[in-house]
Formats: sequence, structure tokens, C-alpha cells
Amino acid sequence: DAMVIQNPRYQVTQFGKPVTLSCSQTLNHNVMYWYQQKSSQAPKLLFHYYDKDFNNEADTPDNFQSRRPNTSFCFLDIRSPGLGDAAMYLCATSRAGSVISPIFGPGTRLTVL
Amino acid sequence: AQTVTQSQPEMSVQEAETVTLSCTYDTSESDYYLFWYKQPPSRQMILVIRQEAYKQQNATENRFSVNFQKAAKSFSLKISDSQLGDAAMYFCAYRSAREVTGNQFYFGTGTSLTVIP
Repeated sequence: DAMVIQNPRYQVTQFGKPVTLSCSQTLNHNVMYWYQQKSSQAPKLLFHYYDKDFNNEADTPDNFQSRRPNTSFCFLDIRSPGLGDAAMYLCATSRAGSVISPIFGPGTRLTVL
Repeated sequence: AQTVTQSQPEMSVQEAETVTLSCTYDTSESDYYLFWYKQPPSRQMILVIRQEAYKQQNATENRFSVNFQKAAKSFSLKISDSQLGDAAMYFCAYRSAREVTGNQFYFGTGTSLTVIP
């Protein structure tokens, strides 16, 4: 089945140690999103790709970077995780200009020690 | 960024009863999409229902329906015959219909729905 896959599902890192989260999709959607969701809060959009064009939200910290090497894969890099970066990270995909609703992956739970 | 507001942080409903969750949004665009998503505890975000702004008819999916008031920028979700499995966090969301530059997808603050047996 076509889907959005996130790896790993759980990630533990140390304060300041770089970490990379992965998202892949088999839907051939041209838009991919990364969200940060803290406990009992709404998902906060960090950035999205429209094809290869990267679109950063104005309030996304520089500590967060992303790469999209091809249509199927997108990575979230946290260069120096702080305790405040502990959260669920959600990846979603969509097709631009269509009514297709974004489809979400299961998320990666990041713990920072 | 467009603003999506859900004024009810928590709601409860008796099983088999009807509940309405409210959502308002702020945009200067005329063409956009609106969504309601459900997120059960520790589980994946799933689509409940969607509405295209150019359609006047309110969307319906089984027990779920919306009341879309474009002029008022209001998009409420009605859940009929509530079931225990409906208990979850519900998010209203907005997305522009512009193909190239309008792909941001913004969530409201969420409403936690409890279903009472």
C-alpha cells in the first residue's frame, strides 16, 4: 500500500549530538512537510518542499535543516538538539494544487537526554 | 501564515449524542481547502473530512459533517451518534489552493474530545 514511512519511530539522542530523522513516501507526491508536535499541542510546521524548492517557516530555528535528495525521501537534521527539541516529528506529503489532503506518517518520537 | 483557531480546547459528549467542534480561520485568499483531522492518543493523524472553499455544499462523511460559512470564515465539525472510538484530539487545518506558492498546511490549536459511555 502506498504510504508515508518514518524512521526510526523512536530516537534518543544526547544534548548537542546531531540527529537525522527520515521520511519516505510511495505516493509520488511533490510536496513534503515536516512538523514538530509537542505534548498536547498542535503540530507546528517547520518547513516544506515543493518539488526541490525548500520553503522555511519564518520562525523555524536555524538548528533545524532539511534535505530532499529525491521525490521519495526527505530528511530532518537537527544540528545541536536541545532539551526543548524533544517532541514528536511528523512528516506529511501532498500534491500541490489539488484537493488531496496531506497524508501523515506515524511520526518519530525524539528524546533528548 | 494563515491563522486557524479552535476556541474549545476540550469538549465532551455522551455516547450516541451529537457534538459540534468549532473552527475559525483568517485568510485573504478566495480559494483554499479546509480539513478536519483526528489524532487518537499516541496514534497517527488521519483525515476525517475535507472541504473545498469554492464548493457551497457542506461536506459529509457518514457520521461526520461540516458547516462551512465562507463569509464568516467558519468551519465547524459535527459528529453525530458519537462513539467511544471518536475520542481523540481533533485538528482543523487550512491549505491554500495555489499550486506553486501555496502549499503551507496549517493546523488549529486542537480540541480534545472525550466520549462518555
